[in-house]
Amino acid sequence: DIQMTQSPSTLSASVGDGVTITCRASQSITSSLVWYQQKPGNAPKLLIYKASSLESGVPSRFSGSGSGTEFTLTISSLQPDDFATYYCQQYNSYPVTFGQGTRLEI
Amino acid sequence: EVQLVESGGGLVQPGGSLRLSCAASGFSFSDHYMDWVRQAPGKGLEWVGRIRKKSNSYTTEYAASVKGRFTISRDDSKNSLYLQMNSLGTEDTAVYYCTRIPATGTHYGMDVWGQGTTVTVSS
Repeated sequence: DIQMTQSPSTLSASVGDGVTITCRASQSITSSLVWYQQKPGNAPKLLIYKASSLESGVPSRFSGSGSGTEFTLTISSLQPDDFATYYCQQYNSYPVTFGQGTRLEI
Repeated sequence: EVQLVESGGGLVQPGGSLRLSCAASGFSFSDHYMDWVRQAPGKGLEWVGRIRKKSNSYTTEYAASVKGRFTISRDDSKNSLYLQMNSLGTEDTAVYYCTRIPATGTHYGMDVWGQGTTVTVSS
């Protein structure tokens, strides 16, 4: 199985800050990676697909990059609505696997 | 409006069975692969399995943790997805989400999620 490791596990930031979350795969997954945002009590929401493509309706302050084994999610200027947990997920091979999550807190 | 609505969750004793349903609306259900994902209380996301569409013979994939115990099926005539869960253990306690994979094949992430249904396995 491909293991996905996110860092950091928790990130403290302020409104207006820029932040970056890293996701590393245990083997190459080319660009077969997506990012989700989840708020407490809600289902996850797709933000980024194919490592760097922005899902329709997602604000442009979100961006993704990377390929192979190392990926990043960057939020350029944090808004109050962005404080949530973020997950990466690979779909290069079965089983589909998620990172453990990064909690972004104020 | 594109929507997925899960139902069928509840309290079940260890060793018991439960069948979850997911009603799809607002899109052409038959064109999409569909997945189940679960989330144990306070934990991260865990993929449960996938069912492909008719043109892919409705084939399925499962996580090792549920293989042989869980079965995913679909009824395209009813726009519905199912998860039959047998031999349930306390480790299966979670919120179960029904999710959609884009029909375009652009990627295989999950672009639509249901609100989830809670399964609690306890005596």
